[in-house]
Amino acid sequence: GAVVSQHPSRVICKSGTSVKIECRSLDFQATTMFWYRQFPKQSLMLMATSNEGSKATYEQGVEKDKFLINHASLTLSTLTVTSAHPEDSSFYICSASGGSPSFQETQYFGPGTRLLVL
Amino acid sequence: EDKVVQSPLSLVVHEGDTVTLNCSYEVTNFRSLLWYKQEKKAPTFLFMLTSSGIEKKSGRLSSILDKKELFSILNITATQTGDSAIYLCAVYSGTYKYIFGTGTRLKVLA
Repeated sequence: GAVVSQHPSRVICKSGTSVKIECRSLDFQATTMFWYRQFPKQSLMLMATSNEGSKATYEQGVEKDKFLINHASLTLSTLTVTSAHPEDSSFYICSASGGSPSFQETQYFGPGTRLLVL
Repeated sequence: EDKVVQSPLSLVVHEGDTVTLNCSYEVTNFRSLLWYKQEKKAPTFLFMLTSSGIEKKSGRLSSILDKKELFSILNITATQTGDSAIYLCAVYSGTYKYIFGTGTRLKVLA
């Protein structure tokens, strides 16, 4: 159990376009989803936390108008990078927690999306 | 400020060696400590620890938590090249708050 998928796995886009990344929990209901960004050889940087049906909570320094997060259902959250620029190129990882007590404190990670903005 | 510190930052060993990775923490509200393994993609879950002194084992990996001294260790015995990865430690402090360490980069040479 506890499988989280992300789509797409890799995306290349032109500067100025918007990119949407989907995160799905496949076999459990994710009451909470997290979005991380990871730079090469660095640890995970939490961008935002979202709970189903409510607005996401963004970490300090993360622009909420640039990184739009929607957690529309218990199995789906989306991250939209609006007007992407080359400095937004990174590895974006989502994770999910929730459901049964054994799942609530453990985050299960998706496989990540590598974004390259040209 | 809550923080999680992992050591060493990187480690190179030979196959068959035993390694110990360290994770110390200072958080205002501790609920659990989690270990993850990250290879080329996203982290995969290894262990969740909530109580002191109870060792968790999975094959050649084991981990234990000391809530008095505020640290955890992850042991890997008889290392293999497939153990090469970044090992991340995170502390869950409740209300969706996770604090990640910087990770330990382990390289196992054949």
